[in-house]
Amino acid sequence: AQTVTQSQPEMSVQEAETVTLSCTYDTSESDYYLFWYKQPPSRQMILVIRQEAYKQQNATENRFSVNFQKAAKSFSLKISDSQLGDAAMYFCAYRRYNNNDMRFGAGTRLTVKP
Amino acid sequence: DVKVTQSSRYLVKRTGEKVFLECVQDMDHENMFWYRQDPGLGLRLIYFSYDVKMKEKGDIPEGYSVSREKKERFSLILESASTNQTSMYLCASSRTGTAGNTEAFFGQGTRLTVV
Repeated sequence: AQTVTQSQPEMSVQEAETVTLSCTYDTSESDYYLFWYKQPPSRQMILVIRQEAYKQQNATENRFSVNFQKAAKSFSLKISDSQLGDAAMYFCAYRRYNNNDMRFGAGTRLTVKP
Repeated sequence: DVKVTQSSRYLVKRTGEKVFLECVQDMDHENMFWYRQDPGLGLRLIYFSYDVKMKEKGDIPEGYSVSREKKERFSLILESASTNQTSMYLCASSRTGTAGNTEAFFGQGTRLTVV
């Protein structure tokens, strides 16, 4: 099975600063999708951003952007202008192009300091 | 908005009991999933279903079974609950296919404690 690795169990950032969360994955596929999910203390998991592997351009959603390095199998999430509401667990996930199940990393707990 | 609803937020069951966790989605998604979430381990896939009555094992199916008799409902069954099944259980659904918008939508989770 494909594996997804998040090497940072915990991160912290000062409010209004920028933070980068790391994710690497292992796959022999050339086409796939990558996702970052956020799980706040309320527990509801929500999608932050997605990246299609066949797209060279890095995805961006407002203050959230990714650095997708396909050859290195790396998919980091950058949060700019961090807000208190960004505090949550963040999970990186992988899905094969022609398969519907998803694999998740162990998660990174982000703390935002006022 | 897609809604995935899990029947309970908290459950406490005794060792050896048969436990049913229910999940319903309202967006006509083909795929449904059951994950288990433990600290430091992330989300691990137990089972998923890509159609009614169809199921596939995930990474940790031992001790669990599933049922999908209707498209909108996916049940996780612990045949004989054990203390090592104490965990957070997350249900999710997604559209099938290869389009980019096939991310998973999650329920609010069920925290199960087996005593």
